[in-house]
Amino acid sequence: GQNIDQPTEMTATEGAIVQINCTYQTSGFNGLFWYQQHAGEAPTFLSYNVLDGLEEKGRFSSFLSRSKGYSYLLLKELQMKDSASYLCAVRDETGANNLFFGTGTRLTVIP
Amino acid sequence: EAQVTQNPRYLITVTGKKLTVTCSQNMNHEYMSWYRQDPGLGLRQIYYSMNVEVTDKGDVPEGYKVSRKEKRNFPLILESPSPNQTSLYFCASSLGWTSSSYEQYFGPGTRLTVT
Repeated sequence: GQNIDQPTEMTATEGAIVQINCTYQTSGFNGLFWYQQHAGEAPTFLSYNVLDGLEEKGRFSSFLSRSKGYSYLLLKELQMKDSASYLCAVRDETGANNLFFGTGTRLTVIP
Repeated sequence: EAQVTQNPRYLITVTGKKLTVTCSQNMNHEYMSWYRQDPGLGLRQIYYSMNVEVTDKGDVPEGYKVSRKEKRNFPLILESPSPNQTSLYFCASSLGWTSSSYEQYFGPGTRLTVT
C-alpha cells in the first residue's frame, strides 16, 4: 500500500522561507515529485528527486532521504503568488509512470 | 502551444446518463492518465495508458472505462454515472514511463456533478 503524509495547511509571511514536509511509506519507490496547484487550476511540475540530496531550482529546492522516507520542498523569498497547494507524489516501481499523491499542503502567504 | 486539453470543462448530469470526457495532447506523449481529485483525498489515479491500445487500471477504476485508439486521445467514459462520481477530473500525459524524470503535464480539469 501507499501512505503519503503532508501537513494540511501552512501560513508564512511574504519574503520569508517555508519548508513543506512529506513522509512516505510505499511498497516501491522510483522517484518523488512536487507539484504546485493554484485553486481551481491544474497541477504544474516543480521538482523531481530520485537520489538522496538537495535539488535546487531558483527559489525552490527539494530534498530527499530515501532511507527515512522523507522529502521536503523549500520555498525562499516567498511571494504572494506562491499561495497554492503543494502536492507530494511518489512514483512506484512497476515500470509505469504511476504517481501516488499526498493530499497536498495548502500554503497561504500573508503580507 | 504544447498542451493537454479536456472537454467539457464543466458538466452537470443525472444518474445513469452515459457521458464521455475527452482528453487530447499535442506533445506526442506515450503515457496518459486520468485522475480524480476530491477534498481530503488528493489526486487518485483512475486509469492509465502506456501506449496505443495499452491501458490498465489505477487505484479507483470502478465505474469508469477508457480507450486509447490514437496516441493523442484518451477519453474517459462513465457508462452509468452515480453521485459518488461527482468530482474534479484531470487528464495528464508524459513523454514516457521509464525511470527518467518524466513529469506529467495536466489538463485544465473537468468539474463533473452527478445529481
